Amino acid sequence: KQEVTQIPAALSVPEGENLVLNCSFTDSAIYNLQWFRQDPGKGLTSLLLIQSSQREQTSGRLNASLDKSSGRSTLYIAASQPGDSATYLCAADYDGSSNTGKLIFGQGTTLQVKP
Amino acid sequence: NAGVTQTPKFQVLKTGQSMTLQCAQDMNHEYMSWYRQDPGMGLRLIHYSVGAGITDQGEVPNGYNVSRSTTEDFPLRLLSAAPSQTSVYFCASSYSIRGTGETQYFGPGTRLLVL
Repeated sequence: KQEVTQIPAALSVPEGENLVLNCSFTDSAIYNLQWFRQDPGKGLTSLLLIQSSQREQTSGRLNASLDKSSGRSTLYIAASQPGDSATYLCAADYDGSSNTGKLIFGQGTTLQVKP
Repeated sequence: NAGVTQTPKFQVLKTGQSMTLQCAQDMNHEYMSWYRQDPGMGLRLIHYSVGAGITDQGEVPNGYNVSRSTTEDFPLRLLSAAPSQTSVYFCASSYSIRGTGETQYFGPGTRLLVL
């Protein structure tokens, strides 16, 4: 079964810390992996998308990596700020999804950055 | 561009009532989909469409109907609402199912409570 797992479920850090959010997936036949941000009561905002042929993507203070062989992706947030507080979701698009475009989501990591 | 829009933002229904959740995008995207988000279950694909006139079932289609008469609109119909359909519903779109660096854009969500 294709599953995506995010650990930890919640994380609290002081402002300014560099932090890593983890995402693991069970099937290495991944087409791409996407990281989203969700604020309370809001929709999902795409942060980074990594194609299966890529190792990492960067956007500002965010860096996402993909290791298909180990079934892991990480989202690195540099110099965290209170405005980074949100739930971060990773989602996998598998080759074997019969062309449905279905994303398989993790449960998310809720991040709190304290001033 | 308004991106992906959804109406209503919040709705309360009684068991057995029917309603339509509206979704529209102004990015000329071919692919559109509906997800529901439930605590402990993450986001799950309900239905999707690869273009006007073409729809198909996702992971949890029972109790829902969709149609795609135009590229812009992809409404989700609840035929006879049940308490198990209490959830947050998200519409998403992308240029195609798969493309180089393709990302999916999500709407702000509709919160549905079925009594």
